[in-house]
Amino acid sequence: GAVVSQHPSWVICKSGTSVKIECRSLDFQATTMFWYRQFPKQSLMLMATSNEGSKATYEQGVEKDKFLINHASLTLSTLTVTSAHPEDSSFYICSARSAGRSADTQYFGPGTRLTVL
Amino acid sequence: GQNIDQPTEMTATEGAIVQINCTYQTSGFNGLFWYQQHAGEAPTFLSYNVLDGLEEKGRFSSFLSRSKGYSYLLLKELQMKDSASYLCAVLDGNYQLIWGAGTKLIIKP
Repeated sequence: GAVVSQHPSWVICKSGTSVKIECRSLDFQATTMFWYRQFPKQSLMLMATSNEGSKATYEQGVEKDKFLINHASLTLSTLTVTSAHPEDSSFYICSARSAGRSADTQYFGPGTRLTVL
Repeated sequence: GQNIDQPTEMTATEGAIVQINCTYQTSGFNGLFWYQQHAGEAPTFLSYNVLDGLEEKGRFSSFLSRSKGYSYLLLKELQMKDSASYLCAVLDGNYQLIWGAGTKLIIKP
């Protein structure tokens, strides 16, 4: 099956620092990757959609200068939370979709739990 | 607007059968997904339906009626490990994935 990895699994940082989260598709090429945020007991909230080699498309209300997304290759996308603040503490999940796979299914990474002190 | 409705929480007994319903109103339709999400973990793919009818996969089955904007996920022979949230998501006409809020399923011995 399709495997998507995420690194790190969890991170604790001080307020004002930047944190980079990596999302990799391990056994397929991901033409599109998605970044979600999920607060406790809430549903997934799509932050942005990134296509390899082009700029990410951000959802309304998501600051593109704060959440920097880079999708430099067909197997890697990164999300950088710049100048993190405690309200950015959340569960960040990436997913990857390949045009070659049926049904436009999104396969999720295991998530990264970010805690900003 | 686009909307997906599913019950917030359901309770069932180990070994029994439970059906989780999902109704949707979207701009266009390119398929419906069911995902399972255990607490503190990312969602995992369960099923995809794009044509009307029932898709069976082991203990889990998913049904779709496009004319009614309706789907259900059927879980048989429930096990304690099935306690999780079940997310319904619809791929709309623009190939955007619209998520339901999820149904928390509680399994009791």
